[in-house]
Amino acid sequence: DAGVIQSPRHEVTEMGQEVTLRCKPISGHDYLFWYRQTMMRGLELLIYFNNNVPIDDSGMPEDRFSAKMPNASFSTLKIQPSEPRDSAVYFCASMAGGQYEQYFGPGTRLTVT
Amino acid sequence: GNSVTQMEGPVTLSEEAFLTINCTYTATGYPSLFWYVQYPGEGLQLLLKATKADDKGSNKGFEATYRKETTSFHLEKGSVQVSDSAVYFCALRLPGTASKLTFGTGTRLQVTL
Repeated sequence: DAGVIQSPRHEVTEMGQEVTLRCKPISGHDYLFWYRQTMMRGLELLIYFNNNVPIDDSGMPEDRFSAKMPNASFSTLKIQPSEPRDSAVYFCASMAGGQYEQYFGPGTRLTVT
Repeated sequence: GNSVTQMEGPVTLSEEAFLTINCTYTATGYPSLFWYVQYPGEGLQLLLKATKADDKGSNKGFEATYRKETTSFHLEKGSVQVSDSAVYFCALRLPGTASKLTFGTGTRLQVTL
């Protein structure tokens, strides 16, 4: 298996633009997680899905952030409009139900200027 | 609330030195405990886990013992290598929380020749 796939790996955008991050989980995994990592706040869980349904979005910082999972093999995290404080590394992770290990993708490094 | 506290880094050691990275937790109930490792430019990977008190998790020469009496899960390795240089995250998961992990802030380890 190719592991969790994220795209793009790097994104540089200007303040006010829309940004869409993409994730393909490991086939057969029914949990998907979106995290944000910054120096100041460490690793934060933004939202997670089970069987494509959002279960907990309490970590989503504000209405500018939205996440979708239209099917078992694809998820997006959208920021609209983007702000410089959104600059971070965004990780997607997936997990099989009943297991312990979350498998992380390589991350998307977002820079908002 | 539930939280994980790790010793601040960076930790700098010479090759073959003994490593300890402290981790303590606060949780309601009896969590499962994890150590994840993040190598430069990559996502997190599960290093080891323990699911109940007095369990010892081990992998790649690293060990950690779940100590309920001291609410700790310290990571140890008898002889570190340059290739162990990474950021190490302690995490917990409460039973019945559908796989949501709470991470510590991470401890950077740098091993030099």
